[in-house]
Amino acid sequence: QVQLQQWGAGLLKPSETLSLTCAVYGGSISNYYWNWIRQPPGKGLEWIGEVIHSGSSNYNPSLKSRVTMSLDTSKNQFSLNLTSVTAADTAVYYCARRPLAEGRFDSWGQGTLVTVSS
Amino acid sequence: QAVLTQPSSLSASPGASASLTCTLRSGINVGTYRIYWYQQKPGSPPQYLLRYKSDSDKQQGSGVPSRFSGSTDASANAGILLISGLQSEDEADYYCMIWHSSAWVFGGGTKLTVL
Repeated sequence: QVQLQQWGAGLLKPSETLSLTCAVYGGSISNYYWNWIRQPPGKGLEWIGEVIHSGSSNYNPSLKSRVTMSLDTSKNQFSLNLTSVTAADTAVYYCARRPLAEGRFDSWGQGTLVTVSS
Repeated sequence: QAVLTQPSSLSASPGASASLTCTLRSGINVGTYRIYWYQQKPGSPPQYLLRYKSDSDKQQGSGVPSRFSGSTDASANAGILLISGLQSEDEADYYCMIWHSSAWVFGGGTKLTVL
């Protein structure tokens, strides 16, 4: 059964860049979309974007100007960069897997709380 | 107006049924969307429950009990998650989701209390 393990800096200052990585264990990184989803404390879910092994990506239009996602097939990992963070970017960030042609996110990372504070 | 609107909270008794609604914004027809439902318990990531568009286009998540089911109400332009035979373990937040305007969009979530 596939497992996703994520890590990254948990405390950032405004204007810095958020960087998170998610490693995929027990499964191939090919033939899936690899996603990032966030959840501000006490609030709902927001999809950030997804990347696939071909290099194609889709980003939430509301975040597109600040988001970059990449995938490293040699390490079975994928990453998120979010630039120019503000307090509004404070959230638990989740990585998640989505099968091709399916809308379900069927495997999730454990979540990383990222706090943006001066 | 939000794309997907869910009531913020709902309470129901053990053994009863709970109907969680996900109303699509005016102009977005529920009949044209696959609606996905997720359950989230405190401190854990969401878990996929099911997908519903029609009786001929639906999917139950792996290991998800059959007492969780989906439907739609065309007159209300809403997707519905029905949970029958409520158990204490069903107490959680529930989110609906669709693919709309090139993005996965979540509803604001419903906190279900079983008491």
